[in-house]
Amino acid sequence: EAGVAQSPRYKIIEKRQSVAFWCNPISGHATLYWYQQILGQGPKLLIQFQNNGVVDDSQLPKDRFSAERLKGVDSTLKIQPAKLEDSAVYLCASSWDRGYEQYFGPGTRLTVT
Amino acid sequence: GNSVTQMEGPVTLSEEAFLTINCTYTATGYPSLFWYVQYPGEGLQLLLKATKADDKGSNKGFEATYRKETTSFHLEKGSVQVSDSAVYFCALYRDDKIIFGKGTRLHILP
Repeated sequence: EAGVAQSPRYKIIEKRQSVAFWCNPISGHATLYWYQQILGQGPKLLIQFQNNGVVDDSQLPKDRFSAERLKGVDSTLKIQPAKLEDSAVYLCASSWDRGYEQYFGPGTRLTVT
Repeated sequence: GNSVTQMEGPVTLSEEAFLTINCTYTATGYPSLFWYVQYPGEGLQLLLKATKADDKGSNKGFEATYRKETTSFHLEKGSVQVSDSAVYFCALYRDDKIIFGKGTRLHILP
């Protein structure tokens, strides 16, 4: 069974630029999560989808971050405009349903200069 | 609120040494508790879990026991290997959310 796929693996941008990350969850998984992991800290949930609906986006900085999961499968996370403090690893995870084990992708390391 | 505190790293040990990584939590009710491991260049993997008090989770020689009285879930391994070098995260699951600790980097020397 293929795992959670993410791309790109690395991205370097200048502040005020925009960037997008892509995630393809495990086939059949209804729940998809985006986490932000700042260096030296544990992952922090940004947004949770159930199929193509948002369950929780309380920690998403909505003035600059947006995410969508249009067909209930793939998802994209966008930052516009980026700030220096957005430098982090962005992890995508999926689970068969809410409350089930989450499987994590390898992450996208973003550096904002 | 819910939170997890784990010992700061890095932790450096020689191969075959005994490992303990301390973890304590604060939570309302009775959360499930996890240890995740992140190997270099890879995503987080669930290492072990415990869902109720006195449960012991175990996997790959690692163990952790859910202690409600001390709100702890310490990770232990009797004899570490170089391949155990990674970052270890303690976490709790409550109200449909995973709350992670800051992680402990473990270096095992041959």
